[in-house]
Amino acid sequence: EPEVTQTPSHQVTQMGQEVILRCVPISNHLYFYWYRQILGQKVEFLVSFYNNEISEKSEIFDDQFSVERPDGSNFTLKIRSTKLEDSAMYFCASLARRHLNTEAFFGQGTRLTVV
Amino acid sequence: SQQGEEDPQALSIQEGENATMNCSYKTSINNLQWYRQNSGRGLVHLILIRSNEREKHSGRLRVTLDTSKKSSSLLITASRAADTASYFCAYTGRWGAQKLVFGQGTRLTINP
Repeated sequence: EPEVTQTPSHQVTQMGQEVILRCVPISNHLYFYWYRQILGQKVEFLVSFYNNEISEKSEIFDDQFSVERPDGSNFTLKIRSTKLEDSAMYFCASLARRHLNTEAFFGQGTRLTVV
Repeated sequence: SQQGEEDPQALSIQEGENATMNCSYKTSINNLQWYRQNSGRGLVHLILIRSNEREKHSGRLRVTLDTSKKSSSLLITASRAADTASYFCAYTGRWGAQKLVFGQGTRLTINP
């Protein structure tokens, strides 16, 4: 079964550094999402991406965050200057148009630790 | 707030018993989904129920949806130790980019 893959599985970075989290969505999917989960808390929506542009973003997704689909297969989340509070699990998800009313497919997540 | 709310926050039962988790929400929904998460791991999709459905079954899982009360429940029958995990409800609204709004989750522990 096709799956969403995320790399790396775990990244440790120093405060103030830039990080790029990578995702390869399922190939024929058209909608892409990033979510984050701070340890022990619920999963929170960050941003959705469709037709090469952001379609919706949350209050969390401020100027420090950006997303890109650089080559038609990867979907990246960049945090420009990481803060301690950015430490969380980040999940990528994708959805096919014909699956708009079915489940999103989630990657296994990237655990980001900011020190 | 559009956030889903779940109860209980934690549930501990004996293996073989049934586990029921509840979820409430505050807006009109397109569908409601349940996910499982083992400690520190990824999200595993369990079941989706559409806004025009009232009950759905999948193996040992039974999900109900009451749109008049804006609530859903997940029943796991004949629980097993391997069912120990956190369970989240998540819904999509009627409009927009089909983002998922997650509840706080229920931490389920099955004691052998």
